[in-house]
Amino acid sequence: TQLLEQSPQFLSIQEGENLTVYCNSSSVFSSLQWYRQEPGEGPVLLVTVVTGGEVKKLKRLTFQFGDARKDSSLHITAAQPGDTGLYLCAVAMYSGGGADGLTFGKGTHLIIQP
Amino acid sequence: NAGVMQNPRHLVRRRGQEARLRCSPMKGHSHVYWYRQLPEEGLKFMVYLQKENIIDESGMPKERFSAEFPKEGPSILRIQQVVRGDSAAYFCASSPSRQNTEAFFGQGTRLTVV
Repeated sequence: TQLLEQSPQFLSIQEGENLTVYCNSSSVFSSLQWYRQEPGEGPVLLVTVVTGGEVKKLKRLTFQFGDARKDSSLHITAAQPGDTGLYLCAVAMYSGGGADGLTFGKGTHLIIQP
Repeated sequence: NAGVMQNPRHLVRRRGQEARLRCSPMKGHSHVYWYRQLPEEGLKFMVYLQKENIIDESGMPKERFSAEFPKEGPSILRIQQVVRGDSAAYFCASSPSRQNTEAFFGQGTRLTVV
């Protein structure tokens, strides 16, 4: 069973359109991160959301953490070809000593067509 | 500041050979994480190391895989007697502390077993 379910798995839209991708879980998290990964590269951190209901903006990207801290969404306004990539959500795994790395969703493959 | 450096970027090994993947964390970071990425499985945690110590290896196969992070030099992920199923992208990430869950990733090593 996947801890983080991301949807849609694939999304291909035209430049200029808006889109929203989702990261859902039945578990509650203290924080959640979004990464973008381009082909042949490692993931790059976009944002960390911490508070239930929190909204963070990064240029045309808007990230929201659900009120119950179980889910998150990423909305892109006026998508551009440079937004193409794999969008991953991730949460920290904790043991008695602290955080031990990240668990990732399988990601949303986004293609923005010119 | 140089980012997380991984080498080699691409590695081809014949079945039964050994693969050694190296990771130099960001300057000032003493916490290193290894992840494996397969198209159908996504990005999966393997092992978490702090200088000279393995903190969590719960995601690493018990056989053929080992990791180290010596006092001096890069972290090494070692795969002995590679099999075709080991073909994947292996990513290293680093962070400055266990409390800071935001990870900085390297560009990865793409291992192909022929």
